[in-house]
Amino acid sequence: SQQGEEDPQALSIQEGENATMNCSYKTSINNLQWYRQNSGRGLVHLILIRSNEREKHSGRLRVTLDTSKKSSSLLITASRAADTASYFCAPKAGSYQLTFGKGTKLSVIP
Amino acid sequence: EPEVTQTPSHQVTQMGQEVILRCVPISNHLYFYWYRQILGQKVEFLVSFYNNEISEKSEIFDDQFSVERPDGSNFTLKIRSTKLEDSAMYFCASGQTNQPQHFGDGTRLSIL
Repeated sequence: SQQGEEDPQALSIQEGENATMNCSYKTSINNLQWYRQNSGRGLVHLILIRSNEREKHSGRLRVTLDTSKKSSSLLITASRAADTASYFCAPKAGSYQLTFGKGTKLSVIP
Repeated sequence: EPEVTQTPSHQVTQMGQEVILRCVPISNHLYFYWYRQILGQKVEFLVSFYNNEISEKSEIFDDQFSVERPDGSNFTLKIRSTKLEDSAMYFCASGQTNQPQHFGDGTRLSIL
């Protein structure tokens, strides 16, 4: 299984602004998943995008996938203080496991 | 919405003792996982379990670790002889084929 690399490592924005975080990976995937982790809690699945999809929306979340560049981005629009968390991407091929990087730590300031 | 539940939320154990961490996965899920997160570090995969056997395991999952699905609802992780470096948050997850994994809130294991 391969690990995604999230960028930036930390992001601080004002409430109401948009937050964009990026993920790069190295080899071919079947899908790519984004997860959120609030401090001291488990990971929460946000969105799964398959390798034949280019964009996917879920509420205030928009995920893009560019398999030619081996990259994905997660956009959170109109951010809220409750969006403060760490965000992880998990590129997935045939393996059962998810492999997580260091994530992007998002702070939304009220 | 169905959840993965883990017990206990915090376990304190003396070094060298055995510990069992318990998980109740989502009822119609077929794949089960354990991950751990040492304080301040990445979430690391330990093991996956499918059809009553281990399907994949990491280098961390050595002979001191074992998993079991003793009945139709529970999924357990046993550490036989705990070490100080086993102190971490342990997360259970479950899922379906080609679907996202659903995580519990974890058990904080403290080894003294």
